[in-house]
Amino acid sequence: QQQVKQSPQSLIVQKGGISIINCAYENTAFDYFPWYQQFPGKGPALLIAIRPDVSEKKEGRFTISFNKSAKQFSLHIMDSQPGDSATYFCAALAGRRALTFGSGTRLQVQP
Amino acid sequence: GAVVSQHPSWVICKSGTSVKIECRSLDFQATTMFWYRQFPKQSLMLMATSNEGSKATYEQGVEKDKFLINHASLTLSTLTVTSAHPEDSSFYICSAREGTSHEKLFFGSGTQLSVL
Repeated sequence: QQQVKQSPQSLIVQKGGISIINCAYENTAFDYFPWYQQFPGKGPALLIAIRPDVSEKKEGRFTISFNKSAKQFSLHIMDSQPGDSATYFCAALAGRRALTFGSGTRLQVQP
Repeated sequence: GAVVSQHPSWVICKSGTSVKIECRSLDFQATTMFWYRQFPKQSLMLMATSNEGSKATYEQGVEKDKFLINHASLTLSTLTVTSAHPEDSSFYICSAREGTSHEKLFFGSGTQLSVL
C-alpha cells in the first residue's frame, strides 16, 4: 500500500525556473511532512519540513505548500540551479513510526 | 548538527559470505534506529526498526534471519547481511532518531553492497 504518492517521476527545468513537485497522502494520522534531497550514492538530506497546522513554510529558495483538506503538499524550488539536480523525496511521519517515503522525483536543472 | 556515521560506504563481497554495516550516532543518543534498502532509481523501503536493547521489528517480507540487526547501545546499530547473494546487492541506509522528536531524525550516508 503506497501511502504517499509523488509526482512527477522526473522533471526538467531551465536554470532560474521554478521546480514543483507534488505529493498526496492517505493516512490522516501523519503529522509531519519532510522533503529530502538525495544525490547519487549518498543518503537523503533533509531540506525542509512542515506540520499540518501550517499551510506554507519557506526556507531560502525552498517552499512547502500544504493543503490539509486535500491531503496534498508540494515542494517549490525557486530560481532552480544546476546544483539542485538530484532526486527529491517527500515523506510523511506519524507518531514514533518510521518515515513513509514517496516514490521520488528526479530533477534535472539545465544550465 | 547531529551526524550519523555509516560504515563502510561501499563493500563488495562474494556470494555466500556475510557483511556487517555499522551505523553510529556521533553526538546524540539514538533511541531508535531504522534500516532502509534502496534499489536503483527507487525509493527507500523500510526494512526494520530497532530500539536500543530490544529486538528489531522487521517489515513484512524482510527475512530477520538473513538481515540481522543489533542495537546494543544508544549510539550503535549494526546490520549484518548473512549468506549474501547477488539479489541482496543494494544501497542500505540507516537513520537514527533522538528521543521521540520528529525533527531529530537523521540519516547516514548509505552503504552500497555489491554481491558477486
